[in-house]
Amino acid sequence: EAGVTQSPTHLIKTRGQQATLRCSPISGHTSVYWYQQALGLGLQFLLWYDEGEERNRGNFPPRFSGRQFPNYSSELNVNALELEDSALYLCASSLEDRGLGTEAFFGQGTRLTVV
Amino acid sequence: GQQLNQSPQSMFIQEGEDVSMNCTSSSIFNTWLWYKQDPGEGPVLLIALYKAGELTSNGRLTAQFGITRKDSFLNISASIPSDVGIYFCAVYAGGTSYGKLTFGQGTILTVHP
Repeated sequence: EAGVTQSPTHLIKTRGQQATLRCSPISGHTSVYWYQQALGLGLQFLLWYDEGEERNRGNFPPRFSGRQFPNYSSELNVNALELEDSALYLCASSLEDRGLGTEAFFGQGTRLTVV
Repeated sequence: GQQLNQSPQSMFIQEGEDVSMNCTSSSIFNTWLWYKQDPGEGPVLLIALYKAGELTSNGRLTAQFGITRKDSFLNISASIPSDVGIYFCAVYAGGTSYGKLTFGQGTILTVHP
């Protein structure tokens, strides 16, 4: 069974541009989570999508946005890129979160570099 | 917001030694998870704990969910070079953090052959 897949694996953008990152969840998983991991730091929660709806978002500015498609895949968009946005962006998926603490499985990440 | 205190920050051990790391919080959580991350890769789920006092093993790994629901530890027995990586604890919270996994800062493990 295929795991969570993310594309591209690496992305280089110029400050001020927009970046689009993509994620395909494990088959049967309806929840998708996005995390940012800056160099030397832990994972910071960005966004949670379930059944096509944004359910929760972390403490990030509105230029970080995304969506979930009917097939449960997801996009993360980062507008007006800043140098500080350079990080590993991780997507995870899980079965529908019922507040019981569902195991989340991560993809390999997209390394975004802003120059 | 919720914070997890993970320790130690880093460990340098000899192959064959046992390893212990832990996570503590001032808040109560109903789920504790342990992940391992290799350089440039996404975290891989090692063990999930759902019940206070629960002790769960996965091969050479053993993790326990503290009875107070405010802590957890992970032990690795007879370490091998491929155990090298960053180990993260993570918790699920409810309320405004619904659906959000909060991660500790990680323990960097180095194993010398």
